[in-house]
Amino acid sequence: QKEVEQDPGPLSVPEGAIVSLNCTYSNSAFQYFMWYRQYSRKGPELLMYTYSSGNKEDGRFTAQVDKSSKYISLFIRDSQPSDSATYLCAMSANSWGKLQFGAGTQVVVTP
Amino acid sequence: DTEVTQTPKHLVMGMTNKKSLKCEQHMGHRAMYWYKQKAKKPPELMFVYSYEKLSINESVPSRFSPECPNSSLLNLHLHALQPEDSALYLCASSQVGGREQFFGPGTRLTVL
Repeated sequence: QKEVEQDPGPLSVPEGAIVSLNCTYSNSAFQYFMWYRQYSRKGPELLMYTYSSGNKEDGRFTAQVDKSSKYISLFIRDSQPSDSATYLCAMSANSWGKLQFGAGTQVVVTP
Repeated sequence: DTEVTQTPKHLVMGMTNKKSLKCEQHMGHRAMYWYKQKAKKPPELMFVYSYEKLSINESVPSRFSPECPNSSLLNLHLHALQPEDSALYLCASSQVGGREQFFGPGTRLTVL
């Protein structure tokens, strides 16, 4: 079993819809949770960072962490075609900066 | 400045060549990373430098040789690579502690 599970998709939504992404994990030591967006043939871009459980909002993006269920989510409101990309969850348990990535979910927002 | 830069953007090399990838950041970060990413896969950690010293080597073959000349620069020296080493090579940096890592655009490497 992988430490971090993420559905690779693709997830196709119409423009303006809410995109809902999630990851589950098995290592209860994970405390730091991140979402990255990666466009084709580009480097990952950090979107959201959260520590421990709770919600965090930044513009159209909301990240949620539920440590009791070992489940994290990312919601994108009012999705745009420019949101079409692969979204990677990542998490870390320790101070050495070793991130455990999910497989990435490919999102396609159709006009 | 929140940018990590990488050169070159693309590199094609033969199995007998020696080449180097370069990474630079000016965010004052003292941790820097090399990752390898194959198509439709997440990044895989290769090396971590903390305060210019190698702190993590993820059992990477010796044909990959990292170097951190100073706190802003990170190099990856390549020698006698195999075609299966073709991938996107990503550099990242962070504060020591490594929570929020900022990635560069990557170098797309093709080994013939």
